[in-house]
Formats: sequence, structure tokens, C-alpha cells
Amino acid sequence: ETGVTQTPRHLVMGMTNKKSLKCEQHLGHNAMYWYKQSAKKPLELMFVYNFKEQTENNSVPSRFSPECPNSSHLFLHLHTLQPEDSALYLCASSQGTGGWETQYFGPGTRLLVL
Amino acid sequence: GQQVMQIPQYQHVQEGEDFTTYCNSSTTLSNIQWYKQRPGGHPVFLIQLVKSGEVKKQKRLTFQFGEAKKNSSLHITATQTTDVGTYFCAGESGGSNYKLTFGKGTLLTVNP
Repeated sequence: ETGVTQTPRHLVMGMTNKKSLKCEQHLGHNAMYWYKQSAKKPLELMFVYNFKEQTENNSVPSRFSPECPNSSHLFLHLHTLQPEDSALYLCASSQGTGGWETQYFGPGTRLLVL
Repeated sequence: GQQVMQIPQYQHVQEGEDFTTYCNSSTTLSNIQWYKQRPGGHPVFLIQLVKSGEVKKQKRLTFQFGEAKKNSSLHITATQTTDVGTYFCAGESGGSNYKLTFGKGTLLTVNP
């Protein structure tokens, strides 16, 4: 499945580094999402964008900064992360943000913060 | 806020045995979706249920939405090793503030 792509697939960074995660969807969708998936925790919704506008910020720390330049691309800028931020970061897209919409997930970026 | 609970958290079966995972919501759901995540993979949409009491089948998988639209189940008949993975339910309670809430998932392992 190549509808939603994410790069990089793996990332190791120190707490003082700055890095960015990239997501691209080729499905013509209008909504894009960032989720965090940690071991033994449910999928945590971080941000929602609809038509490039942020519609949801789920109390995410400011060390995570999203950017959505257009409906096909979504970035997650990372700086001064903590070890507990190590997780799988999943991007998803859907046609709209209605609760009936099916979400299509990318393969994820597995992040390790040292 | 809305909570979606799934049980069991883990289930190990012998190949050929049946498997069921249950999803319960603290609020009435407008719809429920099921996703499967293979080990090392990402969640993939399986199905959506909308109507009260709805039952849908996909080969050996049977999905059910409760009459009160607050619970759902996924039943797999005669499991195979390809069924291994984590099964998530996700529900949305409707209203003006959209939020699709995922359960913690049930990890299914199958012994060949």
C-alpha cells in the first residue's frame, strides 16, 4: 500500500537535536492526522488538519510542532524531545474529518530519543 | 470524555480455534470502525458498522454492533496464522467536535 508514505521510517535522535517527520498522501484526501503509538497505550491523536487548517491539537507539548503546507503533505517538527517521546509516529489521512470517515495510515516513523 | 475499552488485551490461541474481541464505549456511538495492525505494521481499516444491531461478515470475520450502539465485537472463526496482529476498534460519539477514539487493541497470537 503506497497511499500514505512516511519518511524516515526509523529515527534516532538526541534530546538536543531538531528533526522533522514527513508524511505524504496520494489519495486526494482533505484531512491528515498525526498519532503517537507507544507500547501498552492506545493510539493517541496528536493533531488534525482539514484543508491545511489545524482543527485539533490534543494538548500536545510544544516540542512537537506540526506543519501542513497543503492537503497532501504533513510534517512534524521535533525539538528538545524527551526519552518518553520514543514511540511509533503514525500519519493518517481521510476524505474529511467526519467521525464516519475511514482513516488510511502510513507505515509510521519509529522514533528513539536518547 | 469518551472512552473506548477493549478486552481482552491479549489472546493466544491454537490455530483452528475461534477468537473474539470486545469493544465497549462509555457513550453511544454514531459508528464503530475496526482496524488490524500486523506486527511491525500500521493499522489497516477492516470495516465500519453504523446501524444498531448491525452484523457484517468478511470471510471468517464477523463484526457486530450492539443494539444500544455502545458495544461491538469481532469474532474470527477457525483462526489462521495470518490472523496474527492487534485488532483495534475505534468509535466516534458524534456531535460537533469530531474525535475518533481508538481502543487499546487486542493482540492476537496464533500457535501453528
